[in-house]
Amino acid sequence: EVQLVESGGGLVKPGGSLRVSCAASGFTFISYSMNWVRQAPGKGLQWVSSIDTSSSHIYYGDSVKGRFTISRDNARNLLYLQMNSLRAEDTAVYYCAKSFGWYFDFWGQGTLVTVSS
Amino acid sequence: EIVLTQSPGTLSLSPGERATLSCRASQSVNSNYLAWYQQKPGQAPRLLIYGASSRATGIPDRFSGSGSGTDFTLTISRLEPEDFAVYYCQQYGSTVWTFGQGTKVEIK
Repeated sequence: EVQLVESGGGLVKPGGSLRVSCAASGFTFISYSMNWVRQAPGKGLQWVSSIDTSSSHIYYGDSVKGRFTISRDNARNLLYLQMNSLRAEDTAVYYCAKSFGWYFDFWGQGTLVTVSS
Repeated sequence: EIVLTQSPGTLSLSPGERATLSCRASQSVNSNYLAWYQQKPGQAPRLLIYGASSRATGIPDRFSGSGSGTDFTLTISRLEPEDFAVYYCQQYGSTVWTFGQGTKVEIK
């Protein structure tokens, strides 16, 4: 059974940093691209970033480019999102999602990041 | 960036009725790389449809997707109580993935 478990969310001040993680199990992690998608409270889904199997191709949405960094550890089946220079508008639930092809076939339950002073 | 516009914003229907949800793209979606997701309150999204018309594993056949180019449709043939939720379309034909703003299907 595919499982994606996010962690590391919390309260952070504007301008601060936070790293969220996603622990993957139940599939061959090294064989699939991975993604982060966020959802602000009461709002829709917004794609944040994607990374291919070998970390050779990495993509970011315009709203996070230059501030967020996606990475993965294939030996430990972990996906990361390092978030710097956080803003109030980054407040959201952050979901980790597995790719099949380039659509997202499994999602974690999410971790809440709140940016507030 | 491809902008996806979903309509209507809210659909008020009764169980057993047919639901028709629309997703329109600002430009043609490459290879019909269009997916639909269902999200219930407090839950993660769930993949329903990929490639515009292929049902994901375990998705009941009352869900169907159609369309091509810039116009896509998700149809729920007979609404079950568990189908009342928010539905999002997503295009994945470019390396800037985008979602529609969602359609809420609510009980009338």
